[in-house]
Amino acid sequence: SAVISQKPSRDICQRGTSLTIQCQVDSQVTMMFWYRQQPGQSLTLIATANQGSEATYESGFVIDKFPISRPNLTFSTLTVSNMSPEDSSIYLCSLNLGSGTQYFGPGTRLLVL
Amino acid sequence: AQKVTQAQTEISVVEKEDVTLDCVYETRDTTYYLFWYKQPPSGELVFLIRRNSFDEQNEISGRYSWNFQKSTSSFNFTITASQVVDSAVYFCALSEAGLTDSWGKLQFGAGTQVVVTP
Repeated sequence: SAVISQKPSRDICQRGTSLTIQCQVDSQVTMMFWYRQQPGQSLTLIATANQGSEATYESGFVIDKFPISRPNLTFSTLTVSNMSPEDSSIYLCSLNLGSGTQYFGPGTRLLVL
Repeated sequence: AQKVTQAQTEISVVEKEDVTLDCVYETRDTTYYLFWYKQPPSGELVFLIRRNSFDEQNEISGRYSWNFQKSTSSFNFTITASQVVDSAVYFCALSEAGLTDSWGKLQFGAGTQVVVTP
């Protein structure tokens, strides 16, 4: 497995502001993924982040709202822009190490007031 | 399109009882992965098992066991002699396995809340 860390672990933000979530992994991985888990709901994939290329977004998610960076093979950021209360969720990064098993970071709990 | 159904929203048991969580999936892919994850109240997602579509062997790991049946598109999970620490939300998930690009795109079920009381 890999050690995956996320910062911040939680935050409370005002509507209209933006928050950048960081994901750091202790192994080099080609692809990282960002998921959202709204309160009481399941997980939904936001986008796939490949190092050296633009992120690929799933239906319902757009780059202007969730810009992603992937500057190297061990790090990625997800920004939640112009936040509204509906963005209150847990945001999780994930990756797999080539075995097909997907590992998840500890998550970032976001509350938007 | 892929779909994962966990019809049980919540299951409540008393400690030491067995509990079985149902998972039914739909996919057109011939090669795929199935997963179970545990999400305790702290929120992190803990990997429990991955099963390849071509491997229908059932698996046991301690008090956990999994029953994979391709004929019924089911991948059920049983906790034997449940403990209070088993209280969590359990998610079943599915991903394509043919292309490595698809490995990280998991389709999750809605989750089943397991409550174990002393």
